[in-house]
Amino acid sequence: KQEVTQIPAALSVPEGENLVLNCSFTDSAIYNLQWFRQDPGKGLTSLLLIQSSQREQTSGRLNASLDKSSGRSTLYIAASQPGDSATYLCAVMDGSEKLVFGKGTKLTVNP
Amino acid sequence: NAGVMQNPRHLVRRRGQEARLRCSPVKGHSHVYWYRQLPEEGLKFMVYLQKENIIDESGMPKERFSAEFPKEGPSILRIQQVVRGDSAAYFCASSPELDTEAFFGQGTRLTVV
Repeated sequence: KQEVTQIPAALSVPEGENLVLNCSFTDSAIYNLQWFRQDPGKGLTSLLLIQSSQREQTSGRLNASLDKSSGRSTLYIAASQPGDSATYLCAVMDGSEKLVFGKGTKLTVNP
Repeated sequence: NAGVMQNPRHLVRRRGQEARLRCSPVKGHSHVYWYRQLPEEGLKFMVYLQKENIIDESGMPKERFSAEFPKEGPSILRIQQVVRGDSAAYFCASSPELDTEAFFGQGTRLTVV
């Protein structure tokens, strides 16, 4: 059974700092990994999708890496801003065609 | 190009009533998924549907819950005889093909009183 773990559960940083969020999964047989952002009381916004054959994806200040063999992904946020404050969710899609989510990392960027 | 549309955004039901949650996928998307997010919990898969077919309902409780995605109209998640433990945020997602990016709606927050 696939399990996804995100560390840390919460993170507070000053504005401008670069930061890394971690995601690990137990079964390396995945099709893709997706990072989402969730604001309080809102839906999920897709940030980056990494296919199993890829090592990383970049979008603006965000960079996500995937090491399938070790079951790990990281989300790197450069020059963090208060508007980046949200909960970041990692999810993997395996052969069952459904996303398995971690519990998220709650990020607070302080001005 | 509208995204995934869910309604209502908030729904309050008394114990024993029925709750009907609607989801219109992104235009052209034929794969629809429902997930539930309980307070302080991660999102959990409930059901995966394609037009007129339930593909995987392994995450959905066997009783009181049902889902459909008819040929015409939105996907519906139906909860009969709701109980307090059904209070949660229910999210719908759609994708154009298998193994592609999933787009989520804003969710329906169900409160059972």
